[in-house]
Amino acid sequence: AQSVTQLDSQVPVFEEAPVELRCNYSSSVSVYLFWYVQYPNQGLQLLLKYLSGSTLVESINGFEAEFNKSQTSFHLRKPSVHISDTAEYFCAVSDLSGLTGGGNKLTFGTGTQLKVEL
Amino acid sequence: DTGVSQDPRHKITKRGQNVTFRCDPISEHNRLYWYRQTLGQGPEFLTYFQNEAQLEKSRLLSDRFSAERPKGSFSTLEIQRTEQGDSAMYLCASSLGGGIEAFFGQGTRLTVV
Repeated sequence: AQSVTQLDSQVPVFEEAPVELRCNYSSSVSVYLFWYVQYPNQGLQLLLKYLSGSTLVESINGFEAEFNKSQTSFHLRKPSVHISDTAEYFCAVSDLSGLTGGGNKLTFGTGTQLKVEL
Repeated sequence: DTGVSQDPRHKITKRGQNVTFRCDPISEHNRLYWYRQTLGQGPEFLTYFQNEAQLEKSRLLSDRFSAERPKGSFSTLEIQRTEQGDSAMYLCASSLGGGIEAFFGQGTRLTVV
């Protein structure tokens, strides 16, 4: 079984400042790692994912995350945030063994509310 | 491609009533998932279909919950005798066989009064 810990429930930050949202996971097997973003009353949108290869992954809107196997972390960073980045961010893991028939069950953290202020 | 579609977006019901939600996955996706998200929490896995077969169910899915995907396309999630604790956002996601990424719908927010 896997678990995900997002220690920061809320992160306030001023516009154009850098931000880091922390994510730690626990798993006895190798995992895939994801960051999803959720805007108010909306579903989840995939922000970025780590499957294999380079430990640093980037999104098209300036976010990046680095997989650190020794620290079992997948922290999300952005060097300069914008008002439009205000949303809830969820870290999730999926183990490589998957569900019966090959499906991938996601285990989510409790989320971090990023609030960007002027 | 219109993405994953869920209907209704919002549902208010009285305790004890039955409710049914619908999810239309992305057309070529053979895998479909239901998750539940309560206030202040991340989504939690409920159940999973590959084509029309329901292959996994979480312990969260009590006997009052039933999900179907009769023709391997759309899916329904029914909750019988709703309780206030069922109030949550119900999210549907789909993925392509062999694919890792799951695409989520906008969810159905259920409020039981």
